[in-house]
Amino acid sequence: DAGVIQSPRHEVTEMGQEVTLRCKPISGHNSLFWYRQTMMRGLELLIYFNNNVPIDDSGMPEDRFSAKMPNASFSTLKIQPSEPRDSAVYFCASIRQGALTGELFFGEGSRLTVL
Amino acid sequence: QQQVKQSPQSLIVQKGGISIINCAYENTAFDYFPWYQQFPGKGPALLIAIRPDVSEKKEGRFTISFNKSAKQFSLHIMDSQPGDSATYFCAAGNTGTASKLTFGTGTRLQVTL
Repeated sequence: DAGVIQSPRHEVTEMGQEVTLRCKPISGHNSLFWYRQTMMRGLELLIYFNNNVPIDDSGMPEDRFSAKMPNASFSTLKIQPSEPRDSAVYFCASIRQGALTGELFFGEGSRLTVL
Repeated sequence: QQQVKQSPQSLIVQKGGISIINCAYENTAFDYFPWYQQFPGKGPALLIAIRPDVSEKKEGRFTISFNKSAKQFSLHIMDSQPGDSATYFCAAGNTGTASKLTFGTGTRLQVTL
């Protein structure tokens, strides 16, 4: 089975530009999470969805960040306008609620650099 | 109350030695404590997990020790190998809240020859 698929793997953009990160969760998983990883703050949960519905977006830094999950197989995280402090690795993860192991499956991440 | 504190930030261990990483949590409602392993350029992957009804769980060279009264848990890597060099994250969650995990800040482990 394919794992969580994220794109792009690397993105370099200039301050003020719009950035869209994409995620395809594992088929059959009904919860999806967006994390941001930096050296200073480690892994931070930005937002998570259950059955395509946003449940907790309290980790979203500010209004420049938005996330959508239009269907069970696709989610986007958008930053508009981007700023240098948004430079980080963004991870998407998914899980099937009720799974005995409680294992969260991560994608390989999207490394964002904002100049 | 949602914080998970992890130490040390980095660790260097010789091949064959024991690596120990510690975590402490505050929220007594947490009932699931996984450890994730992350190699450079990859996403974190579940290594081992424990629930508070046991004080220790062992899988191969990896052991979690759990102290409920102290609200602490630790990862022990026995006979550490260069292939274990990675970043390790502890986490804590409440299985009643949709697997939302709070992660520690990570420990970068380097195992030298």
